[in-house]
Amino acid sequence: SAVISQKPSRDICQRGTSLTIQCQVDSQVTMMFWYRQQPGQSLTLIATANQGSEATYESGFVIDKFPISRPNLTFSTLTVSNMSPEDSSIYLCSARAPAGEKLFFGSGTQLSVL
Amino acid sequence: GQQVMQIPQYQHVQEGEDFTTYCNSSTTLSNIQWYKQRPGGHPVFLIQLVKSGEVKKQKRLTFQFGEAKKNSSLHITATQTTDVGTYFCAGASGTYKYIFGTGTRLKVLA
Repeated sequence: SAVISQKPSRDICQRGTSLTIQCQVDSQVTMMFWYRQQPGQSLTLIATANQGSEATYESGFVIDKFPISRPNLTFSTLTVSNMSPEDSSIYLCSARAPAGEKLFFGSGTQLSVL
Repeated sequence: GQQVMQIPQYQHVQEGEDFTTYCNSSTTLSNIQWYKQRPGGHPVFLIQLVKSGEVKKQKRLTFQFGEAKKNSSLHITATQTTDVGTYFCAGASGTYKYIFGTGTRLKVLA
């Protein structure tokens, strides 16, 4: 199994600013993903973080708003840029280990934008 | 795009009663996974189903994958207060991505 450390766990930000969320996995993983979850709602896939290349974004999400980095097989960041109150949500990173299919999740970042 | 719906959205049961959540995909799935998310927590993997008609059991939990590989169910026998949480199915349709279902929030009354 893989353990994912995600930080910050929560933050309150001002409109128009940016926040970078970090995700560190304790072992090398093949794939990393970023999800968004509104309170009481399902998980929506934002993008797949590709190691050494540009992330693959889902419909409705763009690189300018959610730039993602993945410099190696254990680390990824998601930046929420030019934030507005509509960006208030829980952001989760996840990873899939080479040996299996299941997803492991970080503990999430609860973001509130004022 | 692919959509995965779950019913019911909410379920309140008395402790000891059974519980079932159903998952339906708009597209045929290569496999389906189930996750449990406790209140305030993150999703935790429960199981993966791959074969058409597959049934798997984990103690009081029974998972089933439909013959057409477009639907699945999770049944909990004799619920306990520790079963409280939201149960998500997540389907993959030939790609590496998993699309999560809408979820069923289970509340168990002692």
